[in-house]
Amino acid sequence: QKEVEQNSGPLSVPEGAIASLNCTYSDRGSQSFFWYRQYSGKSPELIMSIYSNGDKEDGRFTAQLNKASQYVSLLIRDSQPSDSATYLCAVNAVVGGAQKLVFGQGTRLTINP
Amino acid sequence: KAGVTQTPRYLIKTRGQQVTLSCSPISGHRSVSWYQQTPGQGLQFLFEYFSETQRNKGNFPGRFSGRQFSNSRSEMNVSTLELGDSALYLCASSFFVAGDYNEQFFGPGTRLTVL
Repeated sequence: QKEVEQNSGPLSVPEGAIASLNCTYSDRGSQSFFWYRQYSGKSPELIMSIYSNGDKEDGRFTAQLNKASQYVSLLIRDSQPSDSATYLCAVNAVVGGAQKLVFGQGTRLTINP
Repeated sequence: KAGVTQTPRYLIKTRGQQVTLSCSPISGHRSVSWYQQTPGQGLQFLFEYFSETQRNKGNFPGRFSGRQFSNSRSEMNVSTLELGDSALYLCASSFFVAGDYNEQFFGPGTRLTVL
């Protein structure tokens, strides 16, 4: 079982609709969760971080965390063509004070005008 | 505040050569992590440095090494390059504090091609 799993897509959503991206993780002790956006040929850009169960909203983005189900999601409201990118879910694994991000394979999102 | 910088941005090497990549973290950030990104394996953790000490290492062969300087700048070295080392190498910095809530910010990456 992979440590962090995402649906690789591609996920196609019409412009103006809600895009929903999902991620599950295997380490029940994980405490920090992140969503990165990566445009083709670019490096990952941090767009959301979430640490507590529930929802966290930032503009058109909402991250949702359910630690009991080991599930993280990202909602993008009013999707725009500029949202077309690969979205990476990452979980911070901390062992003995050292940290590392464990990434899912990413979901490729396409917003259709 | 300036972001994470990486040099060089592109490199072409041949098998058997070695390469050194450089990373300057965001000012004030003391933790630097390195990742390798390939189409097949995705983003894989290489190692993390904090206060000039390697604190964590991923599952990569000993040909991959790194170091961190007193100003938090970091370098990674790959010796005896193999074709499979062709990848985007990413550096990420964070303002690490004790605990688990550390956002990491990526640099633009170094695209390494091994011929």
